[in-house]
Amino acid sequence: AQSVSQHNHHVILSEAASLELGCNYSYGGTVNLFWYVQYPGQHLQLLLKYFSGDPLVKGIKGFEAEFIKSKFSFNLRKPSVQWSDTAEYFCAASPGNQGGKLIFGQGTELSVKP
Amino acid sequence: KAGVTQTPRYLIKTRGQQVTLSCSPISGHRSVSWYQQTPGQGLQFLFEYFSETQRNKGNFPGRFSGRQFSNSRSEMNVSTLELGDSALYLCASGEVLGANVLTFGAGSRLTVL
Repeated sequence: AQSVSQHNHHVILSEAASLELGCNYSYGGTVNLFWYVQYPGQHLQLLLKYFSGDPLVKGIKGFEAEFIKSKFSFNLRKPSVQWSDTAEYFCAASPGNQGGKLIFGQGTELSVKP
Repeated sequence: KAGVTQTPRYLIKTRGQQVTLSCSPISGHRSVSWYQQTPGQGLQFLFEYFSETQRNKGNFPGRFSGRQFSNSRSEMNVSTLELGDSALYLCASGEVLGANVLTFGAGSRLTVL
């Protein structure tokens, strides 16, 4: 069965620290990959996406992610986090031709201490 | 452009009742998907509609159903409510079928007593 797993459930960082959130998916065919963020009290927002092409994708607010096909991974990174990055982060995947069917990871709660 | 609009935002029902949730997608978007979010199970796909046809369905019992109208607005219905149906129900819209970026609404929070 298709699945997405996120390595960390809760990450606590100090401001200016670097961030890397792990994500692995299990699906053998063409897959589209996403990172969504849910700030406290707000709805899910797209951070970045990968459909094809350059495996290093850049998103909003200084986030980037790297697609490594051989490792079935799509890790999220940010060089220097801010207190405003406190949120829950979701990795998601959809089979290439089923864009409306996102399979989400369990989510990683990020707490950034000022 | 207005975002994805979901109504009602909050509702409380009792076991055995049924509920209907509504979703208006972004203007011009024809794909509507529904998701259930709970603390224990996370975000789970319910179903996807495109051009009034259900294109994909998740692993939920038949008590969960939906439909899409000609103006792309969608409704989902849950019959014979159970306590475990308490959740945030999210609607997402996309422009096309297939490789797609979904925009999510704020959700309808259902509490079943």
